[in-house]
Amino acid sequence: SQKIEQNSEALNIQEGKTATLTCNYTNYSPAYLQWYRQDPGRGPVFLLLIRENEKEKRKERLKVTFDTTLKQSLFHITASQPADSATYLCALDLNQGGKLIFGQGTELSVKP
Amino acid sequence: GAVVSQHPSRVICKSGTSVKIECRSLDFQATTMFWYRQFPKQSLMLMATSNEGSKATYEQGVEKDKFLINHASLTLSTLTVTSAHPEDSSFYICSARTDRVGTDTQYFGPGTRLTVL
Repeated sequence: SQKIEQNSEALNIQEGKTATLTCNYTNYSPAYLQWYRQDPGRGPVFLLLIRENEKEKRKERLKVTFDTTLKQSLFHITASQPADSATYLCALDLNQGGKLIFGQGTELSVKP
Repeated sequence: GAVVSQHPSRVICKSGTSVKIECRSLDFQATTMFWYRQFPKQSLMLMATSNEGSKATYEQGVEKDKFLINHASLTLSTLTVTSAHPEDSSFYICSARTDRVGTDTQYFGPGTRLTVL
């Protein structure tokens, strides 16, 4: 069956540390993988997109890796801050006119 | 960046009534809009894909007669929940996408919290 899974438990880290979130999928062949941030009661906000032929993408303190052999993406936030506390969603884009398949999200809490 | 708005942000209605939710792209033309539903602590689930001027495509298990979608213009799509019941209470989120070359990003609205009593 087709599945997309993220760290099931909430992630609690200390300010200044690097947060690493995992997204694994099975039986999909995504053209792209996207990461979003969602705050409580709000819609998702786009962070990064990585294509199937890219290994790594960076944007300021964010880094995403994409391993199509392992069927896994890692999302890193370096020098984390309390303001980074939110739920982070990964989404697979199957190149079917923009349809996205979302993971259930990982809740990140950064303590001062 | 591109902005997508939704109206209303929250609505409470009685069982059996119909509720309309609007999704607007404010500064770009959205050839495609998507409607998602999200239950507490769960993922966003795609309900339907809406293209301007044509009928919406619904995902498996989503009743098209219950969730009416109209994409009348390049900046507006509406979702009407007909004869709403308590189990339809959820967070409804739309997203908009443009077909400009090189653009793969979707822009999400802020969501509409529907509570059916």
